[in-house]
Amino acid sequence: DTGVSQDPRHKITKRGQNVTFRCDPISEHNRLYWYRQTLGQGPEFLTYFQNEAQLEKSRLLSDRFSAERPKGSFSTLEIQRTEQGDSAMYLCASTRQGRETQYFGPGTRLLVL
Amino acid sequence: DQQVKQNSPSLSVQEGRISILNCDYTNSMFDYFLWYKKYPAEGPTFLISISSIKDKNEDGRFTVFLNKSAKHLSLHIVPSQPGDSAVYFCAASVKTSYDKVIFGPGTSLSVIP
Repeated sequence: DTGVSQDPRHKITKRGQNVTFRCDPISEHNRLYWYRQTLGQGPEFLTYFQNEAQLEKSRLLSDRFSAERPKGSFSTLEIQRTEQGDSAMYLCASTRQGRETQYFGPGTRLLVL
Repeated sequence: DQQVKQNSPSLSVQEGRISILNCDYTNSMFDYFLWYKKYPAEGPTFLISISSIKDKNEDGRFTVFLNKSAKHLSLHIVPSQPGDSAVYFCAASVKTSYDKVIFGPGTSLSVIP
């Protein structure tokens, strides 16, 4: 299977803990996106990488959030000092430069208690 | 400010009939539009797209219509099948260097056998 994969699929944590999610894009895709989706809403853009460079961050991405893509392949999204409002589905997508269609992974569902 | 709007949160259609999902946008800079379908516990799956230079694109049972002057697009599914029951997201992008996609809140389609 060469689709976008995300790990873990589900994460339950207590308020104040740190969590880290991983995304493995489709191998030949150099662009990688992170989105957050809450109930009744569409995916909201968080950040974007072209190869290893993080080129844009949404204002939704507070300083408790950090994302990396160290070798231009997989990416991690870390949330520090989680809050209940961070509970959401975190989606990763990838695409090849110049191709508008983004391919999504299955998402990581985070629940902060 | 929601740039992509889907004013119908839900829609029910009988199997075999036409499903029409509507989408409005406010940003006249958008020049590429997409529809994604999402099943529960899965990431969004690309369905069909249309460039602003066209007013119609067809793929099998799915047709997307674009009315740029009205800033409106619609997705037609005919004939509708029970397997089409899902949440449908309208999305739009501007051809910048990174193709950031803005999603609408989604419409939940139920196709009744």
